Amino acid sequence: GENVEQHPSTLSVQEGDSAVIKCTYSDSASNYFPWYKQELGKRPQLIIDIRSNVGEKKDQRIAVTLNKTAKHFSLHITETQPEDSAVYFCALRPLGFQKLVFGTGTRLLVSP
Amino acid sequence: DGGITQSPKYLFRKEGQNVTLSCEQNLNHDAMYWYRQDPGQGLRLIYYSQIVNDFQKGDIAEGYSVSREKKESFPLTVTSAQKNPTAFYLCASARADHMNTEAFFGQGTRLTVV
Repeated sequence: GENVEQHPSTLSVQEGDSAVIKCTYSDSASNYFPWYKQELGKRPQLIIDIRSNVGEKKDQRIAVTLNKTAKHFSLHITETQPEDSAVYFCALRPLGFQKLVFGTGTRLLVSP
Repeated sequence: DGGITQSPKYLFRKEGQNVTLSCEQNLNHDAMYWYRQDPGQGLRLIYYSQIVNDFQKGDIAEGYSVSREKKESFPLTVTSAQKNPTAFYLCASARADHMNTEAFFGQGTRLTVV
């Protein structure tokens, strides 16, 4: 079945630093790769997504890159702030299926 | 106020009992999903449904059952056959007319077996 590996599982940075989270997949083709943020005690919410026809997408301090040949995609957060502290999940939609397969999550802690 | 609602927020169950978790959405979404969240394991798919009266097993369907009699509702039953049911359960919905659309999550139900 589909499998998405996500690294690191925890990431601690100082405020203002950059944070990078990487996901790799091996078993399936996909053309849709969303990222979700889950703050403590809250529901996951979409923060950015990318489709396979582009290699990079940016939204203010957040960017996502996609390398379909190598089957990996990454989330980049610049100028991190304490409110960025949360669990981040990568996901993909296997081609031909109406479902999302999630990575195991990265707990990001941004210290002031 | 449009959205997706799960109830109850907290649920306690005795071993050997079945329990049903509610999920309702008024977003007019065709697709609905149930995920289980455990620490360090991310979100694992239990069941999903693309249309009324149809659903498919996810990666961890054993010990669970679902129904999709109405577009708005996708209840999940945790049966006594589920060996380790204590977890946080998340329901989600999405449009199914496009393959690549945002999934909206409910606020979750935390189930504890006592």
